[in-house]
Amino acid sequence: GAVVSQHPSRVICKSGTSVKIECRSLDFQATTMFWYRQFPKKSLMLMATSNEGSKATYEQGVEKDKFLINHASLTLSTLTVTSAHPEDSSFYICSARDGRITNYGYTFGSGTRLTVV
Amino acid sequence: EDKVVQSPLSLVVHEGDTVTLNCSYEVTNFRSLLWYKQEKKAPTFLFMLTSSGIEKKSGRLSSILDKKELFSILNITATQTGDSAVYLCAVEKSGGGADGLTFGKGTHLIIQP
Repeated sequence: GAVVSQHPSRVICKSGTSVKIECRSLDFQATTMFWYRQFPKKSLMLMATSNEGSKATYEQGVEKDKFLINHASLTLSTLTVTSAHPEDSSFYICSARDGRITNYGYTFGSGTRLTVV
Repeated sequence: EDKVVQSPLSLVVHEGDTVTLNCSYEVTNFRSLLWYKQEKKAPTFLFMLTSSGIEKKSGRLSSILDKKELFSILNITATQTGDSAVYLCAVEKSGGGADGLTFGKGTHLIIQP
């Protein structure tokens, strides 16, 4: 089945630094990937849609200069949290859909726990 | 504004009980409704529902969609402690391109031995 790999699974960084999170589709090509953020005991919130070869589409309220998304190939999207602050600490998850599968839905990466100290 | 509302938000039952989780939605251009189970990390896929009235089953879990009343239920029979998790309902919209999912807040299910 479709597999999405996300890395790193956990990262601790200092306030003011930048952190890059990678999301790879391992056995399929994903022209579109999605980035979600999850706060404790809250739902997943869509942050942005990552489009291969073009600019990402950000949801309302998400700062595009803060959360840089690059989707340079059909199997890789990256999310860079720039100048991270403690309030950026969260669980970030990416997902992609394998267009070959019509009844499976989206596949999620394993998530990245970001802690900014 | 698109909305996905799950109820209850939390539920504690004993092993062996049957539970019903609810999900109602208001979205434009509905395409499908999905159920996920989330334990510690990423959600794992349970069901994708697109047609009304057709029950999907997987072991002790089943789900059905009512597109007229805009809701879905997820049933778990003979619950086990391993069923303890957050169950997320999400709705996918159609629109030609990929729009991502709109999630409900989840139902935190705790199965006590």
